[in-house]
Amino acid sequence: GAGVSQSPSNKVTEKGKDVELRCDPISGHTALYWYRQRLGQGLEFLIYFQGNSAPDKSGLPSDRFSAERTGESVSTLTIQRTQQEDSAVYLCASSLASATNEKLFFGSGTQLSVL
Amino acid sequence: AQTVTQSQPEMSVQEAETVTLSCTYDTSESNYYLFWYKQPPSRQMILVIRQEAYKQQNATENRFSVNFQKAAKSFSLKISDSQLGDTAMYFCAFLLMNRDDKIIFGKGTRLHILP
Repeated sequence: GAGVSQSPSNKVTEKGKDVELRCDPISGHTALYWYRQRLGQGLEFLIYFQGNSAPDKSGLPSDRFSAERTGESVSTLTIQRTQQEDSAVYLCASSLASATNEKLFFGSGTQLSVL
Repeated sequence: AQTVTQSQPEMSVQEAETVTLSCTYDTSESNYYLFWYKQPPSRQMILVIRQEAYKQQNATENRFSVNFQKAAKSFSLKISDSQLGDTAMYFCAFLLMNRDDKIIFGKGTRLHILP
């Protein structure tokens, strides 16, 4: 596609349920990032995929959070047993190579609301 | 650890005026990039301007320019001839060069351009 696509755009769930958020990066982009943006806050790094290398998971806040990426395509961020503090916008970004050398392109995010 | 601070949570200016958004950062490293991102209500982050720390010349992009003071660790964004479409959240961000590829964001400044 023309840009980074995220789905769903909005997700409302009940506390304790699992959710899956999807990110379709720009075709050919090897790098993919997930960020979390709480209300009124900046972006918090969650996880980074680069090609076939092991992902950098250092930003994941707890073991309830996990993410997968198949090759250089779609990525899924999974949050298990959701809590109210998980409510946030989850943003995905991709770049042709590393952010050091290439521009990041962001999706429009998934607004997650945990009731 | 690197940190980015934006001390102005919210600002308002009249259309056609010039506005300056402040950003300071902290790092012990010498080689890095600094960015300003714009986030309109659509939530999609858009790169406004990028500055390489090794370059003394301030970056400019049309109506957008920066004042980069490396010794003071300051990186302000000036928007000239502001337009209604400039209304958005603006995030200052930092990236170490050729390291972990994790962009660190400030908490943002909400800018309102008034007609």
